Amino acid sequence: GDSVTQMEGPVTLSEEAFLTINCTYTATGYPSLFWYVQYPGEGLQLLLKATKADDKGSNKGFEATYRKETTSFHLEKGSVQVSDSAVYFCAALLEGQNFVFGPGTRLSVLP
Amino acid sequence: SAVISQKPSRDICQRGTSLTIQCQVDSQVTMMFWYRQQPGQSLTLIATANQGSEATYESGFVIDKFPISRPNLTFSTLTVSNMSPEDSSIYLCSSIRGRGETQYFGPGTRLLVL
Repeated sequence: GDSVTQMEGPVTLSEEAFLTINCTYTATGYPSLFWYVQYPGEGLQLLLKATKADDKGSNKGFEATYRKETTSFHLEKGSVQVSDSAVYFCAALLEGQNFVFGPGTRLSVLP
Repeated sequence: SAVISQKPSRDICQRGTSLTIQCQVDSQVTMMFWYRQQPGQSLTLIATANQGSEATYESGFVIDKFPISRPNLTFSTLTVSNMSPEDSSIYLCSSIRGRGETQYFGPGTRLLVL
């Protein structure tokens, strides 16, 4: 069935380190892909999205590129900050208009 | 983007009681959803709230336990009925403005059942 897989957390980094959180999807057709972020005690916020192959979504220094050939949408940031500590969810909007969420990856950034 | 508010933001309830959560969107939207997020877990879709008709429930969720209303295009309620400690979760409302568009989330309602 359709699914979204993310690298397991928690991920712990030092401030200014490089971040990669892997995300791959299994779906028929070409879903739109999203990264959401959930800060402690809050709901989910859209971080970035890409709607077709080779699109790059970017926001707040985060980037992710829609790779059709590897069915991936890995999240990257060149230099993380303590304020980036949160749970990150990869999601796919399937052609049947259903959203599928990954399990979430908890990121902790230490000063 | 859509701005979504939820009330209450959190509550502590006794076993066997019911709680109704309200969700308000700042503009008319096509679809509204209710999710549950158990501690440390990802989101699980409870149901799609349909305007003017019965909600569409996902496997494992039933109307008697989670009755949902959606009287118009901007408002929905979710009731958690006959609560038990296993219902302690974050309940999130979300909406999609149109087909193929981004899903936006409310801030969530944090429920603790004693």
